[in-house]
Amino acid sequence: EVQLVESGGGLVQPGRSLRLSCAASGFIFDDYAMHWVRQIPGKGLEWVSSISWNSGAIGYADSVKGRFTVSRDNAKNSLFLQMNSLRAEDMALYYCAKGGGSSTYYYYDYWGLGTLVTVSS
Amino acid sequence: DIQLTQSPSFLSASVGDRVTITCRASQDISSYLAWYQQKPGKAPKLLIYAASTLQSGVPSRFSGSGSGTEFTLIISSLQPEDFATYYCQQLKNYPLIFGGGTKVEIK
Repeated sequence: EVQLVESGGGLVQPGRSLRLSCAASGFIFDDYAMHWVRQIPGKGLEWVSSISWNSGAIGYADSVKGRFTVSRDNAKNSLFLQMNSLRAEDMALYYCAKGGGSSTYYYYDYWGLGTLVTVSS
Repeated sequence: DIQLTQSPSFLSASVGDRVTITCRASQDISSYLAWYQQKPGKAPKLLIYAASTLQSGVPSRFSGSGSGTEFTLIISSLQPEDFATYYCQQLKNYPLIFGGGTKVEIK
C-alpha cells in the first residue's frame, strides 16, 4: 500500500526557515517523480515544486523560486522541501504527492494528508 | 505561462444529474491534463489522466475528454459521494498549475 507521510510543519516567524519531509513507502521510490502541492484552507490547489526520479529535473512555482529548494534521498525513500525566507502568503497545508512516472510531467496518483505551515509573528 | 480556466466555479445539482465541468487552457497542451476530486478535509484524489484515461478504481460514471485547449469532465449520473470540488491540472509545461476548481453542491 502506498503511503506518504509529511512532517515538519508548524508555526514559524516571517523570514525564518522550515524544512518539510515526506516519508514514502509501498512503492519503489526511486522510480517516480515526486511533488509538493499546497493549499490555503478553503482555497484551491497550488503546485509548488516537482523533482524527477534522479533529481535531474526540478521545477518551482514562481512564487517560491529562489526561496524553496526541493530534494530527495532515494536511499531513505524521502522527499524534502527546504523553505527559506518564509512569508505570510506561504501559510498553507503542504501536500506531498507521488508522480505516475519517472518524469515530472506525469499526473499525481497518490497524496499524503499534508502538513500545515503557519507563518506568523 | 499556461493559464487554466475552469467553469463553472460552482454548480448545484441533484443526485442522478449529468454534470459537465470544463477546463480551458490558454495554449495547446495536447492531452497533458489530469482531473482530481477533493472532499472537505481530505487530500485530492486522481480521477482522470492523459485527458481521458480513468484511474484504476474510479467509477465509470466519470469520464474525461478533449485535447489541445478544451477539456471536459463528465459525471454521467451524480451520486451522493460525488459532491466535492474538482480540479484540472496541466502537465505539459512548468508551472504545472491547477485550475481554480469547481465545487459541486447538492441542489
